[in-house]
Amino acid sequence: DTEVTQTPKHLVMGMTNKKSLKCEQHMGHRAMYWYKQKAKKPPELMFVYSYEKLSINESVPSRFSPECPNSSLLNLHLHALQPEDSALYLCASSQVYRNNEQFFGPGTRLTVL
Amino acid sequence: GQQVMQIPQYQHVQEGEDFTTYCNSSTTLSNIQWYKQRPGGHPVFLIQLVKSGEVKKQKRLTFQFGEAKKNSSLHITATQTTDVGTYFCAGPDSGGYQKVTFGTGTKLQVIP
Repeated sequence: DTEVTQTPKHLVMGMTNKKSLKCEQHMGHRAMYWYKQKAKKPPELMFVYSYEKLSINESVPSRFSPECPNSSLLNLHLHALQPEDSALYLCASSQVYRNNEQFFGPGTRLTVL
Repeated sequence: GQQVMQIPQYQHVQEGEDFTTYCNSSTTLSNIQWYKQRPGGHPVFLIQLVKSGEVKKQKRLTFQFGEAKKNSSLHITATQTTDVGTYFCAGPDSGGYQKVTFGTGTKLQVIP
């Protein structure tokens, strides 16, 4: 299974809502990533988990809270978001070795009203 | 911080014409990766280059890594409509061993 799945596909939320994005992979990868991608821009790294521990946080605002409950799952908890947080949120996974190819999920299209 | 620029930003070609995108890094890279993102889709890994001057081919796609390991190119021969999408290069960032910085991307449109 070489697939990364993400739910939901689309999410519309108000600025006071709390929601979560979910990501799952069964490739045995021990590195998992969250990226944010705005229209016509490259993916921007938000967080990296390595062996279920947060290894990189790219100075992301605390209204985004990642969680890695086990080696297959990655969550992104959202609270009090701003309209400018509207974007495509991509999850990816890879082997832990330096600079392995990353497998991306289809993404969650988030709209904040 | 590290910057990875790609040119051109956009390219429209007639089907059957060739296409090239260039990737330039502000720092020397240990390797370079290329990804393709179809419209409405997600990035899909194409290839990784590691050696200085390395050239790899995948059917109509030819990838090169510069001698100084600061630039790379992707050339597509005889484009097809299935080649439509945005092509990103990505290089390792000194900020973390699993961190890559994506280039600015080149969006390819193929006119049938």
